[in-house]
Amino acid sequence: EPEVTQTPSHQVTQMGQEVILRCVPISNHLYFYWYRQILGQKVEFLVSFYNNEISEKSEIFDDQFSVERPDGSNFTLKIRSTKLEDSAMYFCASRGTGSPLHFGNGTRLTVT
Amino acid sequence: KNEVEQSPQNLTAQEGEFITINCSYSVGISALHWLQQHPGGGIVSLFMLSSGKKKHGRLIATINIQEKHSSLHITASHPRDSAVYICAAEKTSYDKVIFGPGTSLSVIP
Repeated sequence: EPEVTQTPSHQVTQMGQEVILRCVPISNHLYFYWYRQILGQKVEFLVSFYNNEISEKSEIFDDQFSVERPDGSNFTLKIRSTKLEDSAMYFCASRGTGSPLHFGNGTRLTVT
Repeated sequence: KNEVEQSPQNLTAQEGEFITINCSYSVGISALHWLQQHPGGGIVSLFMLSSGKKKHGRLIATINIQEKHSSLHITASHPRDSAVYICAAEKTSYDKVIFGPGTSLSVIP
């Protein structure tokens, strides 16, 4: 069964550095999402992406964040100038028409 | 106020018991999702429903649109069912899904 894959599984970075989290959605899916989960908290929506543009973003998704689909297969989340409070598990998800969400295994980001 | 609430927050059951997890939401929805989050963190979709009832193996999900309430039932529970079960509301088709706080289930042999 096709899967959403995320890399890396764990990223450690220093405060102020930029990180890029990568996702390969399922190939025929059209809708893409990033969510995050701070340790011990519920999953929070960050951004949705459709037809090569952002369709919705949360209050969390400010100028520090950006998303790209650079080559038709990858879907990336860039976090500029990371802060301690950005430490979380970041999940990528994709879905096709009429299908449920398919999640990747997540990238655990640790900002020190 | 959270738009999606779940009860109970934590649940411990003996193997073989029938389990019910409840979800209530305060927004209009196009679909309601039930997901399972494993101890390692991975999230798996169990059901997506907009009306009535769905069944998959020992899992049953129901929804009452008028009452804005959904339930997830697990029959003949097993230790491998131990996980966090999350209800999530999709307000507009393919838009963001709003997650509930999750119910942590532990099934004891």
